Amino acid sequence: KNQVEQSPQSLIILEGKNCTLQCNYTVSPFSNLRWYKQDTGRGPVSLTIMTFSENTKSNGRYTATLDADTKQSSLHITASQLSDSASYICVVSARLTGGGNKLTFGTGTQLKVEL
Amino acid sequence: EAQVTQNPRYLITVTGKKLTVTCSQNMNHEYMSWYRQDPGLGLRQIYYSMNVEVTDKGDVPEGYKVSRKEKRNFPLILESPSPNQTSLYFCASSLRGQVTEAFFGQGTRLTVV
Repeated sequence: KNQVEQSPQSLIILEGKNCTLQCNYTVSPFSNLRWYKQDTGRGPVSLTIMTFSENTKSNGRYTATLDADTKQSSLHITASQLSDSASYICVVSARLTGGGNKLTFGTGTQLKVEL
Repeated sequence: EAQVTQNPRYLITVTGKKLTVTCSQNMNHEYMSWYRQDPGLGLRQIYYSMNVEVTDKGDVPEGYKVSRKEKRNFPLILESPSPNQTSLYFCASSLRGQVTEAFFGQGTRLTVV
């Protein structure tokens, strides 16, 4: 069964500090790994997408890493801001016959950035 | 503006009263899907559609129906809603392909009493 596990479940940090969120997965056949940011009551918004051959990808202050051998990914947030407070969801995509993707979602890490 | 639009955003209904949640995208995406999000659980796929007139079950399809008569629309139908279908629902769309970004709607919070 395809699974995505994230840690920690929740995290509180001070504004300006860095943090790293973790994701472990067992998804087959692996296609790509995505990180999404979800504000409370809103739809998820894509931060990064990484394929098997990519081991790091940045989007502003967000940097994602992927180790396809150990099936682990991390999302590093630099110089956090109050607006970074949200749920961060790791999503792993499996290939579907016919060209589509089957997404398996983690339960998310709830990040709160405080003054 | 490229977007996925869901309606309504909030809905309270009674057990057994048929309802439809609409989803429309303006990006000419082939692939559309519906998810539900419940506390402590990741988003779970209800149904998906690879293209017009092509739909298939996701992980939790029981109690739901969908249709894809036009490329832009993918409504979710609850023929006889029950309280266990109280949830936050998201529609998403993407281009067909392996590494394509999925765009999500703003969500529909459904309460069935």
